[in-house]
Amino acid sequence: DIVLTQSPDSLAVSLGERVAINCKSSQTVLDSSTYNNYLAWYQQKSGQPPQLLLYWASTRESGVPGRFSGSGSATDFTLTISSLQAEDVAVYYCQQYYSAPPTFGQGTKVEVK
Amino acid sequence: QVQLQQWGAGLLKPSETLSLTCAVYGGSFSGYYWSWIRQPPGKGLEWIGEINNRRSTNYNPSLKSRVTVSVDTSTNQFSLRLTSLTAADTAVYYCARGGRYTTRGPNEYWGQGTLVTVSS
Repeated sequence: DIVLTQSPDSLAVSLGERVAINCKSSQTVLDSSTYNNYLAWYQQKSGQPPQLLLYWASTRESGVPGRFSGSGSATDFTLTISSLQAEDVAVYYCQQYYSAPPTFGQGTKVEVK
Repeated sequence: QVQLQQWGAGLLKPSETLSLTCAVYGGSFSGYYWSWIRQPPGKGLEWIGEINNRRSTNYNPSLKSRVTVSVDTSTNQFSLRLTSLTAADTAVYYCARGGRYTTRGPNEYWGQGTLVTVSS
């Protein structure tokens, strides 16, 4: 199985500040024939199911605010929140769907300082 | 708008069998893979398995011997069966939509989740 390791495990940031969450894969998730990175990011608020934020590493899901962006390729990826809002308090997960079984990172908890 | 609504027993005893069903409303049912994912309390997400309308299935090897995912295309529902339960199976179980015409897709829509507790 592909192992995804997120860093940090948690962080507290002031409102309006930038947040960066890293996701490192034990194997490449880049399909060299399509140049697509098979990586997604999810946001999970307390008591709710995960919500898809980004797929193909950097494509925003419909309705996701522009302050969320994704970057990276192959084995190293970053989710960036450009200006933290109160409603962004949540746990964020990366997921690879490159090879079976799909796997998730351990999660990164984002709080307001 | 696609909606997934799930139901099933929430309290089971060790050695019993978990049975959950997920109904899909809106959007297309055929062509997509339909997944089950679980989350132990306070922990991360684990993919369990998936099925499409042609009854093609894929399972997590770590659970494969105990898992069956089935589908009823006449009602746009799919189900999860997990046998020989232990306390380690205690989790919130989610149904979700997977990739279209491929097993390699993100999970765009999710059910509300069902907490299943295994305790004697």
